[in-house]
Amino acid sequence: KQEVTQIPAALSVPEGENLVLNCSFTDSAIYNLQWFRQDPGKGLTSLLLIQSSQREQTSGRLNASLDKSSGRSTLYIAASQPGDSATYLCAARTWGNTGFQKLVFGTGTRLLVSP
Amino acid sequence: DAGVTQSPTHLIKTRGQQVTLRCSPKSGHDTVSWYQQALGQGPQFIFQYYEEEERQRGNFPDRFSGHQFPNYSSELNVNALLLGDSALYLCASSWGQSSGNTIYFGEGSWLTVV
Repeated sequence: KQEVTQIPAALSVPEGENLVLNCSFTDSAIYNLQWFRQDPGKGLTSLLLIQSSQREQTSGRLNASLDKSSGRSTLYIAASQPGDSATYLCAARTWGNTGFQKLVFGTGTRLLVSP
Repeated sequence: DAGVTQSPTHLIKTRGQQVTLRCSPKSGHDTVSWYQQALGQGPQFIFQYYEEEERQRGNFPDRFSGHQFPNYSSELNVNALLLGDSALYLCASSWGQSSGNTIYFGEGSWLTVV
């Protein structure tokens, strides 16, 4: 059974800092890994998708890496801004017992960036 | 291009009642999944629909049921509501049930059971 863990659970930093969010998964047989952002009381916004054959993906100030063999992914946020304050969730896409895929989520990292 | 849309946004129900939540997938998407997110937790997979059939199911009781229509929209039904069913219910859509495409989520339906 796939389990996804995110560390730290919460993070508070001053504006301008570079930071790293960690995600680990127990079963390396993943199809891909997706990072999401969730603002309070809102749905999920997709940030980056890394296929299992890829090592990293970049979008603006965000960079996500994937190491399947060690069961780890990291989300790097450069030059953090107050608008980055949100909960960040990682999700591993795995195969269910019917051969169809589903997402298994971590519990998220709650980020607060202070001006 | 409208994204994933869900209705209603918020609703309050009494224990024992039944509720129906609705979802329209992103244009061009044919696969719909439902997730339950309790406060402070990550979303938990409920079930997935493709070609109008339930293709896989998470660890949820039979009180949770769903449907997918020919236009790919979907409904989630929960019977005999319990206080513990209070959560944010998220609908997700993608193209192709076994593809590596990005999965998109709606804004969710907040269900409070009193």
